[in-house]
Amino acid sequence: GDSVTQMEGPVTLSEEACLTINCTYTATGYPSLFWYVQYPGEGLQLLLKATKADDKGSNKGFEATYRKETTSFHLEKGSVQVSDSAVYFCALLPGETSGSRLTFGEGTQLTVNP
Amino acid sequence: DGGITQSPKYLFRKEGQNVTLSCEQNLNHDAMYWYRQDPGQGLRLIYYSQIVNDFQKGDIAEGYSVSREKKESFPLTVTSAQKNPTAFYLCASSARLGQALSGANVLTFGAGSRLTVL
Repeated sequence: GDSVTQMEGPVTLSEEACLTINCTYTATGYPSLFWYVQYPGEGLQLLLKATKADDKGSNKGFEATYRKETTSFHLEKGSVQVSDSAVYFCALLPGETSGSRLTFGEGTQLTVNP
Repeated sequence: DGGITQSPKYLFRKEGQNVTLSCEQNLNHDAMYWYRQDPGQGLRLIYYSQIVNDFQKGDIAEGYSVSREKKESFPLTVTSAQKNPTAFYLCASSARLGQALSGANVLTFGAGSRLTVL
């Protein structure tokens, strides 16, 4: 079945450091890929998405590129801020199939220190 | 503003009691979902509904029940049969279930309800 694997956390960085959170997936066909973010005590918010190979999603300084050849969708940011501290979830939606459901990775906790 | 409202935010329950978590949306979304979140385990789907008066079991439906009598509402009951109910529960909705190419698959989440069984 479809699955998403994220790098294990927690990840702790200093402010202005570079961030990469790895995400790889297993799926048939051409899934859509997402990154969601969860701030402390809140629900999840969509951060960015990509619906086909080589698409780059971007938002709030974060980027992720849909790499079909490596089945990856790594999340990157060049300079993190304390306010980026949150849990980040990679997710997959099987392609072109009505009635499909999102599959989430286990989440990666990011803490950014001043 | 449109969104999803979950209540209560915090809930304590004694063992053997049923409890119902509320989820209301004013986004005019067709599909609604309930997820359970446990530390280190990500999100697991409990139930989902594509349309009023219809719902399907997710991956961990045992010990839970739902109803979808109105488009806006999708309450979740945690029954006494749920062996380990202490968790953070998240409700979500989307315009349509699936349909990746339409862009209607983006989930909007509520702020969550934290249930603690004493």
